[in-house]
Amino acid sequence: EAQVTQNPRYLITVTGKKLTVTCSQNMNHEYMSWYRQDPGLGLRQIYYSMNVEVTDKGDVPEGYKVSRKEKRNFPLILESPSPNQTSLYFCASSLGGTSGRLWTDTQYFGPGTRLTVL
Amino acid sequence: GNSVTQMEGPVTLSEEAFLTINCTYTATGYPSLFWYVQYPGEGLQLLLKATKADDKGSNKGFEATYRKETTSFHLEKGSVQVSDSAVYFCALPLNSGGSNYKLTFGKGTLLTVNP
Repeated sequence: EAQVTQNPRYLITVTGKKLTVTCSQNMNHEYMSWYRQDPGLGLRQIYYSMNVEVTDKGDVPEGYKVSRKEKRNFPLILESPSPNQTSLYFCASSLGGTSGRLWTDTQYFGPGTRLTVL
Repeated sequence: GNSVTQMEGPVTLSEEAFLTINCTYTATGYPSLFWYVQYPGEGLQLLLKATKADDKGSNKGFEATYRKETTSFHLEKGSVQVSDSAVYFCALPLNSGGSNYKLTFGKGTLLTVNP
């Protein structure tokens, strides 16, 4: 089944304790992205990646890191989490890139990771 | 960059009522337009899309027409069901072309359908 998976689905942690949220897709997509969803603010993009080793900042990158060493994986790293990073996080992917159809592509979303930083 | 303004709701309807959720955009050129839906406890999934002006996207009884004259992409359904209760997002690429691709979303509209 074609899908985007995220782990963990739920995480409660404390300020300053480094964590990684994993994202994996099995559709051979070139484009991947991370969003956070907050009440009243909607969805905001954190980082995105056009292909392996190619990443760029979204709208709210502060406090986050990403890496894209393999096509299927796009982990989100919080080196020193703070309470204002408490949110619902979504990973997404689309065919994108060299397909030439990036601007019409559907983005496929993972189920979400609910993070609470105390 | 491009932007989208979406009716925020919440919207509460009775089963079989007619639904309209308004979405207007500002854009350079004619980017693709999307409606995504988020059911309770789930991630977003594509509901429908239109890739050029005057296109009509449709799925699961929902429709939206890409209208360049009014820069709108309103979502409609003739008869909603309880199972349509969800949050609906209008979206388009932040930039119309180029290499720094980003998808920008409206704030979302919560729809509740009562039996």
